[in-house]
Amino acid sequence: GESVGLHLPTLSVQEGDNSIINCAYSNSASDYFIWYKQESGKGPQFIIDIRSNMDKRQGQRVTVLLNKTVKHLSLQIAATQPGDSAVYFCAENEDSGGGADGLTFGKGTHLIIQP
Amino acid sequence: DTGVSQDPRHKITKRGQNVTFRCDPISEHNRLYWYRQTLGQGPEFLTYFQNEAQLEKSRLLSDRFSAERPKGSFSTLEIQRTEQGDSAMYLCASSPTGDTEAFFGQGTRLTVV
Repeated sequence: GESVGLHLPTLSVQEGDNSIINCAYSNSASDYFIWYKQESGKGPQFIIDIRSNMDKRQGQRVTVLLNKTVKHLSLQIAATQPGDSAVYFCAENEDSGGGADGLTFGKGTHLIIQP
Repeated sequence: DTGVSQDPRHKITKRGQNVTFRCDPISEHNRLYWYRQTLGQGPEFLTYFQNEAQLEKSRLLSDRFSAERPKGSFSTLEIQRTEQGDSAMYLCASSPTGDTEAFFGQGTRLTVV
């Protein structure tokens, strides 16, 4: 199947700064996108999702932007905290309104928060 | 803790042995998913259940892999005749329905020696 990938393997930001993690996908049929956070030794933790009929969705300190024209997804984290240090994965699915059946994950970006 | 529970957390086995992992989803979650994650990679989808029905199993890695959810509650993933390449984290997730977010467990880390 087509893959979902991330532009940077590691992103280092200062505590308190905003961070942006990017994701490119290639499957034009994808219509559901999710961001997960994974801390060392733990399973992925849901952060936020977005469907293809939207281009922006906000949560608590996080915003996901979807640009279907260029098949690009981003996760913005405001005022980063030490607890935000983790690996962040984007994932996508097609013909799905949600759930986790057949999600395709990218390789992940390791976000490092520096004090 | 009312999250997804996986057992065991770690398993070391010799090549050629069979292993079975258990997943207890969040109560009343109808959907249950199995994923595999190798070091440095994102999770890879294996199979999923809607209650006791296994709706997708073509993505299981080989015929050595099988999963069950006999009563629509907990699920087991079995790997027969394990190989060193099976070493990975096996993740389970559940969701209330097919159109809501899924919650992952902590995973079972398998090491085949």
